[in-house]
Amino acid sequence: DSGVTQTPKHLITATGQRVTLRCSPRSGDLSVYWYQQSLDQGLQFLIQYYNGEERAKGNILERFSAQQFPDLHSELNLSSLELGDSALYFCASSVVGLAGSGANVLTFGAGSRLTVL
Amino acid sequence: GQQLNQSPQSMFIQEGEDVSMNCTSSSIFNTWLWYKQDPGEGPVLLIALYKAGELTSNGRLTAQFGITRKDSFLNISASIPSDVGIYFCAGQQASGSRLTFGEGTQLTVNP
Repeated sequence: DSGVTQTPKHLITATGQRVTLRCSPRSGDLSVYWYQQSLDQGLQFLIQYYNGEERAKGNILERFSAQQFPDLHSELNLSSLELGDSALYFCASSVVGLAGSGANVLTFGAGSRLTVL
Repeated sequence: GQQLNQSPQSMFIQEGEDVSMNCTSSSIFNTWLWYKQDPGEGPVLLIALYKAGELTSNGRLTAQFGITRKDSFLNISASIPSDVGIYFCAGQQASGSRLTFGEGTQLTVNP
């Protein structure tokens, strides 16, 4: 157990639907990152939050949004789902996230596998 | 943005063989990390490197932070079937900045 909790582990839904993926970071970590991994692909960075505020955005579609709550858990919302959104979605957390705050060692959750039919 | 070129993309080896993989970039990094992802799981940190020239071991794994700060290497000795998975390198350019990940090396070990 890495200390980063992601739910649900598996999710099957239809095109056009909306889903929410949830992440609880490791205790003491203020930064949360979301990554997408499609079949046989690398880790595509989506978005980062630090202590409730958005810090960096990667290749995140406009149909996707995220937020980090005061208790530091984060949610990734995926809407108007398409077949191509089927992927593993990983949350990772780290204790740093601001410039000058040190080595950014990420701890990953086990992922949420989304299947869009 | 910055890119990390990780090679090889995939490797098929026999149990007991040694394995080498590397990551290179045109940019300088001040931290290098190596992660392993088992099938269907999240990446797990194997080794972290913080200083140019640093050589660090973790069991049968050894990683090095290149002297130029633009590359890193991971070696696995005497491979076993449970070494199967995807190995990712990751680099950090500045303190507190986001990690850049390589595309991964898919390792298959035949018993």
